[in-house]
Amino acid sequence: AQSVTQLGSHVSVSEGALVLLRCNYSSSVPPYLFWYVQYPNQGLQLLLKYTSAATLVKGINGFEAEFKKSETSFHLTKPSAHMSDAAEYFCAVSEFDKLIFGTGTRLQVFP
Amino acid sequence: GAGVSQSPSNKVTEKGKDVELRCDPISGHTALYWYRQSLGQGLEFLIYFQGNSAPDKSGLPSDRFSAERTGGSVSTLTIQRTQQEDSAVYLCASSLRAPGQGTPTSTDTQYFGPGTRLTVL
Repeated sequence: AQSVTQLGSHVSVSEGALVLLRCNYSSSVPPYLFWYVQYPNQGLQLLLKYTSAATLVKGINGFEAEFKKSETSFHLTKPSAHMSDAAEYFCAVSEFDKLIFGTGTRLQVFP
Repeated sequence: GAGVSQSPSNKVTEKGKDVELRCDPISGHTALYWYRQSLGQGLEFLIYFQGNSAPDKSGLPSDRFSAERTGGSVSTLTIQRTQQEDSAVYLCASSLRAPGQGTPTSTDTQYFGPGTRLTVL
C-alpha cells in the first residue's frame, strides 16, 4: 500500500519569507503525487500534481514542488509567503481509484 | 462551469437517526468519490463510483454506511443509525475519467465539493 507522510502539522512563517512544506511518500510503483490546499470552511483545491512528465512542477498561486525519487520526497515551496496563503495543505498519492492523503500541514503567515 | 456541489452544507442530527448526504458532480465526470475528514482520522477514502457502479467500497467504515449513484450523476451517501463517531466533514469529489480507462492509477484531477459538516449529538 502507498502512503504519504507530512512532517510538521503546523508551520509558521513571516509574510515574504520562504514557504517549505514537506511531504515524503512510500510507493512500490511510480507514484502520481498531488498537493491540495484547503481554506477555512471550504473544500480541497488542487495546487499542483506530478504525473512523471517533469520533476519540477509549477502550480497555482506561485507554488511549486520538486519530485525527488532518491529522497522519496515531493516538498512544496513558495519563495515569498503572502497572508492569503494561510490554509491547510495536504499531500496525496494516487492509489488506483483513490487518493491517499497525508495528515496535513497548517500554514500560518504572520505580518 | 459549475463545480461539485454538496447538500446540505451542515447537518445536525440526533444519535440513532438516519441521514442522507447529496453530491452533484461536475457534468460529464465519469468518476465520483466520497471521503471523510475528521479530527482523529484525517482524510479517509470511503467509496468510489464508476458510472453507477461502485467497484470499490473498501473505505466504508461499517454496514451502516451505504451510497448509490443514479443516472451516472448525483450520488447519495446514507448513514443509518448515526453514532457520535460519525461526526465529520463528508467530502465528495469527481474526475473526468474513471481509473483503469487510461492507466491503472489515475492522474486525473479530483475536484472536490465544499463538504457537508455532520454533527451527531
